[in-house]
Order: sequence, then C-alpha cells, then structure tokens
Amino acid sequence: QSVLTQPPSVSGAPGQRVSISCTGGNSNIGAGYDVQWYQFLPGTAPKLLIYANTNRPSGVPDRFSGSKSGTSASLAITGLQAEDEADYYCQSYDSSLREAWVFGTGTKVTVL
Amino acid sequence: QVQLQASGPGLVKPSETLSLTCTVSGGSVSSGSYYWSWIRQSPGKGLEWIAYIFNTGSTTNYTPSLKSRATISLDTSKNQLSLELTSVTAADTAVYYCARAIAAAGTGLIDYWGQGSLVTVSS
Repeated sequence: QSVLTQPPSVSGAPGQRVSISCTGGNSNIGAGYDVQWYQFLPGTAPKLLIYANTNRPSGVPDRFSGSKSGTSASLAITGLQAEDEADYYCQSYDSSLREAWVFGTGTKVTVL
Repeated sequence: QVQLQASGPGLVKPSETLSLTCTVSGGSVSSGSYYWSWIRQSPGKGLEWIAYIFNTGSTTNYTPSLKSRATISLDTSKNQLSLELTSVTAADTAVYYCARAIAAAGTGLIDYWGQGSLVTVSS
C-alpha cells in the first residue's frame, strides 16, 4: 500500500507542459525528507530524474523539474515529447513504523 | 556506468523459497558508500521497497511486512546481491528490481536500477 499519492494519469500534446503531484504526510514529505522522481519505460531499467526535490542528475534534460512544498512535491515536464510517455513515480523516506523508503502510486504520462 | 541485472527462476510454487540474484558490473558492490537494495512492483501494491544492505554488509534493513521471510546478502567475490524470500504466496508475484542507493542521502536516493525480473508464484 503506497504511502505517497499520485494521480493515475496525466496527458498533454507535444510541446505542452504537464505536472504530476505527489502527496504525502507528516511522517514523510511533510517531515522534511527529500523526494526523488523516477521514470519507468517498458523494457528498460528505471531512471532517476530528480533527486533531493529539485536536482537533476547529469544527462537529464532541463525540461524536467521538481518542486516541494509542505506535504507535497511535484514533477513538471515542459515541452512534452513523445519519448516522455512513461510511468513516473515519486519516492521519499518515511519515519513511521520503521518503514524506510516509500514510493508513490505512480502516474502514466500520455503524449497525445 | 554501473549496470545491474536481476535474475531469478521466473516461476515459484506456493510455500517454496524464492531466490534472486543481481549481478553488478561497472562497479564493485563493496566500494563506496551505498545501500544495495531490492524493490518489487506488483499490480495490487505498486512499488514496494523490500530491503537494503550497506556495502560493507554491516547493516541491513527490511520492510516490516516482509522482515520475517526475507534475507538480503552480498557476495563480494562474485559482485552480486541476493534476496531470499521464504514461504511465498501468490501475493509475492511481482517484478523484482535490484538497485543501488546513495547512503549519504539517507532517503533512498536510487541512482541505478536493474531492469527487473518477473517472478510468478503459482502451482
């Protein structure tokens, strides 16, 4: 049972901007723990997109950006491209019940 | 470039033990400061962190719901990570991923994932 809640799907036309929310609580995001975002493409290893809320690893296009406020975080994709069609998951740490790493419910991004 | 490749039996019978291996290339499992980890993805529960082990083998941590059935280990001579899950049921059917997390981050920042290995529990 995922601790972090994401919308099941978002969609946009090529070139548009889409945003994915990740809502947690006071034992994870709201407690100040960092949020990561990962991209899951079929047949490939998942990829780190954003770490520590707002940082992009080397090689990730600047079309991807992250933010965090209160008990939520967001991933934005600007200038949407066909290759961005994938599943996206947020991830953080949770201090309750000795749970460590927790993931979001996942969001399917569809490029129209 | 670090690469991880999980491998497993594909099909396991209920009540038996699931054994998975992750072969790491492009880096040593005993170097640096990392948590080597297993994560699974099932249709009913989404992504679920299972366990991690520090690269010295000195520290392990398990998700509470699986702690009694799971064992994570490192084989530094083979540069491999392993997972054993006992008394499996259909609920353990999932794609199992091995991954490397940066220990200093403290929040499960995974910088490399393997492709995943599908395990089905069925008689």
